[in-house]
Amino acid sequence: KQEVTQIPAALSVPEGENLVLNCSFTDSAIYNLQWFRQDPGKGLTSLLLIQSSQREQTSGRLNASLDKSSGRSTLYIAASQPGDSATYLCAVRGGNQFYFGTGTSLTVIP
Amino acid sequence: DTAVSQTPKYLVTQMGNDKSIKCEQNLGHDTMYWYKQDSKKFLKIMFSYNNKELIINETVPNRFSPKSPDKAHLNLHINSLELGDSAVYFCASRPSGGYLNEQFFGPGTRLTVL
Repeated sequence: KQEVTQIPAALSVPEGENLVLNCSFTDSAIYNLQWFRQDPGKGLTSLLLIQSSQREQTSGRLNASLDKSSGRSTLYIAASQPGDSATYLCAVRGGNQFYFGTGTSLTVIP
Repeated sequence: DTAVSQTPKYLVTQMGNDKSIKCEQNLGHDTMYWYKQDSKKFLKIMFSYNNKELIINETVPNRFSPKSPDKAHLNLHINSLELGDSAVYFCASRPSGGYLNEQFFGPGTRLTVL
């Protein structure tokens, strides 16, 4: 069964720093991997989707990479801002199943 | 212009009651999901509907039953509510096939069973 792990569970950085969030998964037979952010008491907002054939995707200050063979993905956030504070979740899709990690809670300190 | 909407946003009820949560998407997507997010923030898929056909049913109690009156709606009905059912329930949808198959989530329904 697919297991998705996110490290660290929580991260606190000063504003302006670049940071990396990690996601690892045990079964490399995935269709895609999606990164989400979740604000407190809110739903999930899709950030980036990487297909299994891709290596990375970029959107603004965000860059997500995928190394399927090693079961890893990273989400790079450049020049962090207080508005980036949220919980970041990665999810892998295998068939019609989606498996979520437990998330990284990010706090960007002004 | 809400893409995926859920009602109610909050639901507080007594043990043993029966309740429903509604979900609607206006994205024209073919597949809809229900997820449960527990107190530790772990998201677990419960059901998936594709063109009104149930294609995933994770190991959830049969007290939970998804109902899809049409492609744009997937409601969740829960019988005989238990304390352990307290959680946030999220509805999601995505298009079937194709390159852009991102999931889009609703805002969630926080269920509290007393």
